[in-house]
Amino acid sequence: GAGVSQSPSNKVTEKGKDVELRCDPISGHTALYWYRQSLGQGLEFLIYFQGNSAPDKSGLPSDRFSAERTGGSVSTLTIQRTQQEDSAVYLCASSLQGNYGYTFGSGTRLTVV
Amino acid sequence: QQQVKQSPQSLIVQKGGISIINCAYENTAFDYFPWYQQFPGKGPALLIAIRPDVSEKKEGRFTISFNKSAKQFSLHIMDSQPGDSATYFCAASGYGGATNKLIFGTGTLLAVQP
Repeated sequence: GAGVSQSPSNKVTEKGKDVELRCDPISGHTALYWYRQSLGQGLEFLIYFQGNSAPDKSGLPSDRFSAERTGGSVSTLTIQRTQQEDSAVYLCASSLQGNYGYTFGSGTRLTVV
Repeated sequence: QQQVKQSPQSLIVQKGGISIINCAYENTAFDYFPWYQQFPGKGPALLIAIRPDVSEKKEGRFTISFNKSAKQFSLHIMDSQPGDSATYFCAASGYGGATNKLIFGTGTLLAVQP
């Protein structure tokens, strides 16, 4: 597609439920990133996929968070047993290999009640 | 050492004035310094970026000034307009290892008053 597509745009879930957030990167972009943006905060790195290399998971805040990227394209971020502190905007970005120019999606606003 | 420190947290500028946002970093392995602009409800969009081999880069009304020895860089918005009102993030990254992803500052909320 023309841009990075994220779904859903908004998600309200009950504490303790699992959620899945989807990211569809720009066609041909081999690098894919997930960031979290809490209210009034900067962008916190979560995970990075580059081609067929092992992902860089160094930013995942706990083992409740996981992500996968199937076929080098679509990525899913899963949060298990959601907590209120998980409420944030989850942003996905993609870039060409070796190109630092990220293109971000519009994000998924997650609210845990 | 992975942090990027950004200031001010918020900024109010009159239309036609100059907006200045500052960032500082510690990791000398960083070699790419972009600025992103974010409007409410949207993802950040790349505005302008610089590499450490130059001290200044200008694109239209937007200029990055880079001071390698001080490990600081700044964004200057000349002739600021109300449409520039947004949140601005500085960032830094390198190539390979722990620096191969963008590390963002905490953002500056800019309001340009008409």
